[in-house]
Order: sequence, then structure tokens, then C-alpha cells
Amino acid sequence: NAGVTQTPKFQVLKTGQSMTLQCAQDMNHEYMSWYRQDPGMGLRLIHYSVGAGITDQGEVPNGYNVSRSTTEDFPLRLLSAAPSQTSVYFCASGGWNSYEQYFGPGTRLTVT
Amino acid sequence: DAKTTQPPSMDCAEGRAANLPCNHSTISGNEYVYWYRQIHSQGPQYIIHGLKNNETNEMASLIITEDRKSSTLILPHATLRDTAVYYCIVIRDNYGQNFVFGPGTRLSVLP
Repeated sequence: NAGVTQTPKFQVLKTGQSMTLQCAQDMNHEYMSWYRQDPGMGLRLIHYSVGAGITDQGEVPNGYNVSRSTTEDFPLRLLSAAPSQTSVYFCASGGWNSYEQYFGPGTRLTVT
Repeated sequence: DAKTTQPPSMDCAEGRAANLPCNHSTISGNEYVYWYRQIHSQGPQYIIHGLKNNETNEMASLIITEDRKSSTLILPHATLRDTAVYYCIVIRDNYGQNFVFGPGTRLSVLP
């Protein structure tokens, strides 16, 4: 049981490039979400999903796309990277019968 | 969801109790209080949650005032490994999902 895994751990992009941050969980959780954390700040919700095929926007969705084709995976796509997207990205998952959310180790993204 | 207010930082001596306050004066009757912590740059970790009764688990105790407008997280015997940022979150759902994280309280446990 690996919990929530994220890849890559670190990434450097140039402005305008696109990429996908991967998130996977092996706990059969229905709920998955993506947060970003800027230096010295709390986490802000980007997108979330309540099950395969269902996604919705969070507080800061602009510049990001998500899809949920399976229960296990919830990738986050940056369409055209901007320096303002330099941040640490955390993926989380939770089950409907559980009050606890599990967070991944994070992906540190730098956009130059 | 109700907003929360926490002190930006606190110190605590190792082995002593750490008492972290949180103000949530606009909390509604069906909103829960959750506490998470983030050690260094790791992903946040669940600590405890409650509605109106005091709660205790193997990590901490949660004391909620009778009017529910504030709460205190208690780490009974703080260790150096408890140094972290602690987030108090108020959310409507018992199965808390879409969290709104504030800046939290940075707790430093001192030897």
C-alpha cells in the first residue's frame, strides 16, 4: 500500500511549455484533489474529483486541466506554463466513509 | 465555510504541552473543526477533528468551546518532531474534502 504517489518530485519548465503532473492512489478512494502551495502560504485548491469521470474547479483553476478516467489516477496538466505557476503541488485523496485525507509528497515546479 | 484565525508562530519547550489556539467565530452549526499539520515541506497530515465535543486520539486532544467560536489543539508532550505548521480548518462536511488552508501556526519545539 503506497498511499498517494506523485511524479515527478522536481521539474523545471520554460515559459510556454506544457506538462502533466501525475498523481496515483491505491486506496480505492473516490475523492481526489490538487492543491498548490506558494512560499509561506497555505494550500489552495486547484481542481478536485468525486469519482471517475467527474471533475470540478477549486479556488485557483486557471491554467490547469484535469481528467479522471480511472479511480486510481488524477493527472494535472499545465497547458502553457507561466512563472506565476512556480509552486509546490500536492495531490490528495479521501474516501467517502473516511474523515481523513491523505496527501502525496508534492511536486516542486519552477517555471523560468 | 467559516474562516479561521491562528497566531502565526509559537514556541514550546520539549516535553511540555503545546496549546495551539484557533478562532472561528463565524462557524455554523453543521461545520466541523479539523486540524492538519505540515512538517517541513511534506504533504499535510491529518491530526484530529470534532464538531462540538472534545476529542482525543493518540496524537492530540481537541478542545472546542461551548459556543464553538474557538478551539485549542493540545499536543500533550511535545517533541522536536512536532515542529511543523499547524492548520485549523472549518468545513461543513464530516468527510472533509475541499479544504481552505490559511497560513497556519508555525510551532517550534525547542530543546
